[in-house]
Amino acid sequence: EAQVTQNPRYLITVTGKKLTVTCSQNMNHEYMSWYRQDPGLGLRQIYYSMNVEVTDKGDVPEGYKVSRKEKRNFPLILESPSPNQTSLYFCASSFNVQGATYEQYFGPGTRLTVT
Amino acid sequence: AQTVTQSQPEMSVQEAETVTLSCTYDTSESDYYLFWYKQPPSRQMILVIRQEAYKQQNATENRFSVNFQKAAKSFSLKISDSQLGDAAMYFCAYLDNYGQNFVFGPGTRLSVLP
Repeated sequence: EAQVTQNPRYLITVTGKKLTVTCSQNMNHEYMSWYRQDPGLGLRQIYYSMNVEVTDKGDVPEGYKVSRKEKRNFPLILESPSPNQTSLYFCASSFNVQGATYEQYFGPGTRLTVT
Repeated sequence: AQTVTQSQPEMSVQEAETVTLSCTYDTSESDYYLFWYKQPPSRQMILVIRQEAYKQQNATENRFSVNFQKAAKSFSLKISDSQLGDAAMYFCAYLDNYGQNFVFGPGTRLSVLP
């Protein structure tokens, strides 16, 4: 089954404790992206990756890191989480072939609470 | 930077009736893509419909259709014969032609009344 998976689905942590949210897709997609969703703000892009070893900042990258060492994986790293990073996080992927981009497929979301 | 605006935070519709959700966007590009995504209570993001800016014909998917007005930078979603399962948050989204910048609107929460 074609899908985007995220782990964990729920996470409660304390300020300053490093954490990683994993994202994996099995569709051989070139493009992957991370978003955070907050009430009244919709989804805001944190980082995206056009392909392996190619990453770039989205609209709200502060406090986050990513890496793309393999095509299928795109982990989101919070080196020192703070309460304002409490949010619902989505990973997404899509094909990007010769300039043509297709709709994004989303993971199930990760609910993160930082106390 | 591109922006997407959804001016209706909440909407409601009677079952079997038709409802239109509004979306406007701002861009200086001529080629881009527009999407409507549905987010039910399960939180899963589900693609409803997609429109390429170079296509004049409005996209249609079963009961869902769009009214794409490129000059006005407007992209509304019409849901016909509304069903209880259509109740969800709906997000309008813009994607640039390079496939890099994906921008979402704040969402419209749709309620369907029996």
